[in-house]
Amino acid sequence: DTGVSQDPRHKITKRGQNVTFRCDPISEHNRLYWYRQTLGQGPEFLTYFQNEAQLEKSRLLSDRFSAERPKGSFSTLEIQRTEQGDSAMYLCASSGGTGTYEQYFGPGTRLTVT
Amino acid sequence: GNSVTQMEGPVTLSEEAFLTINCTYTATGYPSLFWYVQYPGEGLQLLLKATKADDKGSNKGFEATYRKETTSFHLEKGSVQVSDSAVYFCALSDRGGGSQGNLIFGKGTKLSVKP
Repeated sequence: DTGVSQDPRHKITKRGQNVTFRCDPISEHNRLYWYRQTLGQGPEFLTYFQNEAQLEKSRLLSDRFSAERPKGSFSTLEIQRTEQGDSAMYLCASSGGTGTYEQYFGPGTRLTVT
Repeated sequence: GNSVTQMEGPVTLSEEAFLTINCTYTATGYPSLFWYVQYPGEGLQLLLKATKADDKGSNKGFEATYRKETTSFHLEKGSVQVSDSAVYFCALSDRGGGSQGNLIFGKGTKLSVKP
């Protein structure tokens, strides 16, 4: 299966700790997106990469959040000094090809901050 | 700004009933429209899409038509099955106005189909 994968699937951490999530997109896709989904809501956009360049960041992405895609393949999302409000499902999606903007999502990483 | 509004759920139907989930949007450019589905315990899956006005997206018996005049993209299915029980999300991708194609989602509509 060559779909989008995310690791870990679940993460429980204590408030104030740092966490890092990884996303591996579909191999030929050059565009990668991070979203956050809280219970009962639709996903909300966090940030976007085209190849290794981070081209757009949502105002939801506070200074405690940082994302990288160093070689234009996998991406990491780090949250520093986690807060209880960071508890959510973090979703990664990828898309590729010219004129094709449909996005394919990974299974998500569920973060619980205690 | 861009936004998507979906009918609130939950929606409960009997098997073989007709389904409509309403979705309307606001966009500054020329959006593409999508329906995604999230089955229990699974990730988001693309169900169907439409990229321009009057396009009809269809998949697995579901259909939605891009109506620019009413800014709508309602999801329909003629005869639902228990296996269609899931949360359905309407979304738009507006590549105009400087957007990089990120998706804007509605809040989702939970569908439960009873045998």
